[in-house]
Amino acid sequence: NAGVTQTPKFQVLKTGQSMTLQCAQDMNHEYMSWYRQDPGMGLRLIHYSVGAGITDQGEVPNGYNVSRSTTEDFPLRLLSAAPSQTSVYFCASTTIGLAISELFFGEGSRLTVL
Amino acid sequence: GDSVTQMEGPVTLSEEAFLTINCTYTATGYPSLFWYVQYPGEGLQLLLKATKADDKGSNKGFEATYRKETTSFHLEKGSVQVSDSAVYFCALSDPSEGRRALTFGSGTRLQVQP
Repeated sequence: NAGVTQTPKFQVLKTGQSMTLQCAQDMNHEYMSWYRQDPGMGLRLIHYSVGAGITDQGEVPNGYNVSRSTTEDFPLRLLSAAPSQTSVYFCASTTIGLAISELFFGEGSRLTVL
Repeated sequence: GDSVTQMEGPVTLSEEAFLTINCTYTATGYPSLFWYVQYPGEGLQLLLKATKADDKGSNKGFEATYRKETTSFHLEKGSVQVSDSAVYFCALSDPSEGRRALTFGSGTRLQVQP
């Protein structure tokens, strides 16, 4: 069972470069999200989506773009990378009820911006 | 807004010791509460959950009881093993926040020594 698949697992960028972190899930989940994990700060929500064509900002959206053209895919784009975006990024998905319940996480993508 | 506060780590224990990791929360509605575990190099996975006051979640020898009067959801295990070494995150889902996200604590690292 694939679950939530993130690529790449590791990436090094120079300041100002752009890149896309890919996320795909095969569980037909309506809800998908991107978090970043930084030491001592837990997980912070960047962007989320409740279905194809619908996205919204989370707690720390600046510097990141998302789109949701299919149920399965939810890519995260960094338009002009900055050292402050050095972090571990997690994609997570779930079904939608009255509120968010169990999230299913990918294995993470470690990004370093020099 | 909602928030989750966890005890700072790392917590270092000897094998077979008793574990408690404290978690308290603030929420505007009536949240569901979760404990997630992150093993080295992996994404987060759900450990246990409780959806209403006085519920007890349990899994793999871990337990936590939803205490509305003290707004707490402390994680306990009677006898830890080396394989329990990981980072533990407390989280909540608040229906009054809509279908937005889970709110996570900052995480507590547990190190179990043989």
